[in-house]
Amino acid sequence: AQTVTQSQPEMSVQEAETVTLSCTYDTSESDYYLFWYKQPPSRQMILVIRQEAYKQQNATENRFSVNFQKAAKSFSLKISDSQLGDAAMYFCAYFQGGSEKLVFGKGTKLTVNP
Amino acid sequence: DTAVSQTPKYLVTQMGNDKSIKCEQNLGHDTMYWYKQDSKKFLKIMFSYNNKELIINETVPNRFSPKSPDKAHLNLHINSLELGDSAVYFCASSHSRVDTQYFGPGTRLTVL
Repeated sequence: AQTVTQSQPEMSVQEAETVTLSCTYDTSESDYYLFWYKQPPSRQMILVIRQEAYKQQNATENRFSVNFQKAAKSFSLKISDSQLGDAAMYFCAYFQGGSEKLVFGKGTKLTVNP
Repeated sequence: DTAVSQTPKYLVTQMGNDKSIKCEQNLGHDTMYWYKQDSKKFLKIMFSYNNKELIINETVPNRFSPKSPDKAHLNLHINSLELGDSAVYFCASSHSRVDTQYFGPGTRLTVL
């Protein structure tokens, strides 16, 4: 079964600084998708970014970018110019079409200090 | 213009009761899901439906029964509630079975 590991239960960053959240996953498949979701205190699960495994180019959404290393099975999220509103739990997730299941990591709680 | 909505947002009930959570999406998606987020924030899929057909049924007690009256709705009925059922339940939807999933606001269920 596929597993997703987020090794940092908590991280903190100063406002306007850059922070990187780590994620590794285990799979024997070659075609899959990876996601980062954000869950602020409001509890809403918000899609941050999506990466297709067949694409070599790293996905970017405004201040959010990923470093996708397929061979290393690593998918880290970089948040640039951190803002107070970025404070949230961040979940890395893996999806493979064969199983049709979105598998989540245990999350990283990000605190942004003013 | 809510995309995926759930009712109620909070549900407090006694052990042994039966309760339902409703989910509706106005995105025109074909696939809908139920997830459970436990007290440690771990999210796990429970069920998925595609065009009203059950696709995924994880190892979930029989007391949990999903029902999809149409493509836009997926309800979750829970019988004989137990303390361990206390959690946040999320509904999600996606355009197809292999597309990005979009989540509802969650329903916090507390069983006393």
